[in-house]
Amino acid sequence: AAGVIQSPRHLIKEKRETATLKCYPIPRHDTVYWYQQGPGQDPQFLISFYEKMQSDKGSIPDRFSAQQFSDYHSELNMSSLELGDSALYFCASSFRQGRTEAFFGQGTRLTVV
Amino acid sequence: KQEVTQIPAALSVPEGENLVLNCSFTDSAIYNLQWFRQDPGKGLTSLLLIQSSQREQTSGRLNASLDKSSGRSTLYIAASQPGDSATYLCAVGNNRLAFGKGNQVVVIP
Repeated sequence: AAGVIQSPRHLIKEKRETATLKCYPIPRHDTVYWYQQGPGQDPQFLISFYEKMQSDKGSIPDRFSAQQFSDYHSELNMSSLELGDSALYFCASSFRQGRTEAFFGQGTRLTVV
Repeated sequence: KQEVTQIPAALSVPEGENLVLNCSFTDSAIYNLQWFRQDPGKGLTSLLLIQSSQREQTSGRLNASLDKSSGRSTLYIAASQPGDSATYLCAVGNNRLAFGKGNQVVVIP
């Protein structure tokens, strides 16, 4: 069965650079979520989209932005990167805004040096 | 704000024993509760989803119960195997998911 696909899997950036993470949800899923998991931490919700519109916003820094495109894939843009942004970034998708099972991608490991 | 607590934080059991992992949450107005498995540095694998109207779900050796009124869920893993060693995360949600810090499990051969 198709799963959530994230790219790239690993990314190394320098401080103050910009990074773009991509997410391709499971076909026919209409909701995409982004989570950040710091070392030894539980995943923290960043932002979600339902039918290409932002549906919920969590603890996402102003330096980050995201969008969902017409083909339902989503991108998380991160600017002015800081050392503290080093983390695993997960994308998840579901159907009907969380009323069904959420499936997570394998994550993008971002390292800021 | 939803608070999710998982007890115990870590446990080791000999192979063959049953595992009991506990999760509690503060806000019972949830759509559903999910249990995930995470291996070190890896992604989150969904194990079971319990919708708010359900009391339990079963998949193979896994059984999860949900008591919304008391804000609790329990994950049972029968006849544990070394391959069950991982961190198990409980998450509850209304759209966004709020995660606990996980139960880190080691099954000793």
